[in-house]
Amino acid sequence: AQKVTQAQTEISVVEKEDVTLDCVYETRDTTYYLFWYKQPPSGELVFLIRRNSFDEQNEISGRYSWNFQKSTSSFNFTITASQVVDSAVYFCALTPFNKFYFGSGTKLNVKP
Amino acid sequence: GAGVSQSPSNKVTEKGKDVELRCDPISGHTALYWYRQSLGQGLEFLIYFQGNSAPDKSGLPSDRFSAERTGGSVSTLTIQRTQQEDSAVYLCASSPLADNTQYFGPGTRLTVL
Repeated sequence: AQKVTQAQTEISVVEKEDVTLDCVYETRDTTYYLFWYKQPPSGELVFLIRRNSFDEQNEISGRYSWNFQKSTSSFNFTITASQVVDSAVYFCALTPFNKFYFGSGTKLNVKP
Repeated sequence: GAGVSQSPSNKVTEKGKDVELRCDPISGHTALYWYRQSLGQGLEFLIYFQGNSAPDKSGLPSDRFSAERTGGSVSTLTIQRTQQEDSAVYLCASSPLADNTQYFGPGTRLTVL
C-alpha cells in the first residue's frame, strides 16, 4: 500500500524563524519518487522538488532544504528564516511511477 | 512556455445540471491527471491518462463522473446531474513521459447550488 502522512495540520511561526514540515511515507516499491508542492492562497500548486529513492543526498535551494532518509521513510522540508510569502499549504507526495499519493497537507502561517 | 490551462476558472450551476470542465496540458506532455480538492482538504485523485493507454479511472467517485482525452492532448471532465457535494476545485495536471513531475493548472472552482 502507498501512503503519505503529514502529521502537522497547521504550523504558525513568526517571520525569520526556521520551520520544518514533516513527511512520512509508506511503500513496498523499491523505486519511487517523492515530491513537495506549495499551494499559496491563490490556489495553484507549485512544484518545489522531486527526489528518487536512490538519491538520499540532502538538497538545499536558497532558504529551502530537504532531508530524505530511507531508514525512517521520511522526506522532511525545512524553510530557513521564514518569510510571510512562505505562507501556504505544503503537500508531500509519493509516486512509484505515475499515480500520485498526496499527503493531507500542512498549512504554514508565517506572521510578520 | 505555456503552462497547464483550465477553463472555466469558475462555474456555478444548479443541482441536476451537467457540467464540462476543460484542461489543456503542457504541449508534449503525455500524462494527464484530474484531481478534486474540497475546501481546506487535500487532493483526491480522480482519473489518469497516459498516452494511448486505457485511462486509470479508479478514483472517479460515481458513474456521474467521466473524462475523455482527445488526440492525446485536451481533456474534458464531465459531471452529470451535479449534486451539492460535487462543489470543489477541480485540478488538472500534466507530466512529460521522461519525467513524472506533475505540473498543475490553476483549477476550476465548481459551485453547485
